[in-house]
Amino acid sequence: NFLLTQPHSVSESPGKTVTISCTRSGGTIASNYVQWYQQRPGSSPTTVIFEDNQRPSGVPDRFSGSIDSPSNSASLTISRLQTEDEADYYCQSYDGNIRVFGGGTKLTVL
Amino acid sequence: QVQLQESGPGLVKPSETLFLTCNVSGYSITRGYNWAWIRQSPGKGLEWIGSIYHSGRTFDNPVLKSRLTMSVDTTKNQFSLKITSVTAADTAMYYCAREAIFGVAHFDSWGQGTLVTVSS
Repeated sequence: NFLLTQPHSVSESPGKTVTISCTRSGGTIASNYVQWYQQRPGSSPTTVIFEDNQRPSGVPDRFSGSIDSPSNSASLTISRLQTEDEADYYCQSYDGNIRVFGGGTKLTVL
Repeated sequence: QVQLQESGPGLVKPSETLFLTCNVSGYSITRGYNWAWIRQSPGKGLEWIGSIYHSGRTFDNPVLKSRLTMSVDTTKNQFSLKITSVTAADTAMYYCAREAIFGVAHFDSWGQGTLVTVSS
């Protein structure tokens, strides 16, 4: 099995850019696609990035995803932050028959 | 557009069995996706429970595997989850989701979730 480690929380001001990391331990980050989900309080998660860097229709281009092999990590970057971006964000990947979520990062836009 | 809806008892006694069903509408469960269960304990993160293909092939979280059974009913377009010998640690919001396959494992549609409390 493997683990995905995220920072517990991040905060940034409206209009700025924030990056959330997701570090894989056990296996190679680039070997399996990474997804990112946004979860607002009281709601189900929704996808903001899939297959490392693809945005579903309806997700603004302020959201982007990337993979960094040297650090064995994935990143979600949100630019031009808006108050509505305040939520929990989870990375997710897989290895064979196992699917794993990161522990989640609480984004505060203040 | 696919819609998923979980149903089942909201309260289960310790040591008993938790049973949930996910009804799928707007999409046939025989059409090339896995169907998954994911849970979230109060105030905690997401935990993948397992996934099932319409053929009945399952993919289980090793932590839960010994207590876990998943099944599909293609005639009703629904799939189900059973967890035996529950404890307070199984108290969570339970989500069903559609999972893209073929090397992606992306949960692209989710139900609204159902809260299950384990308590006597």
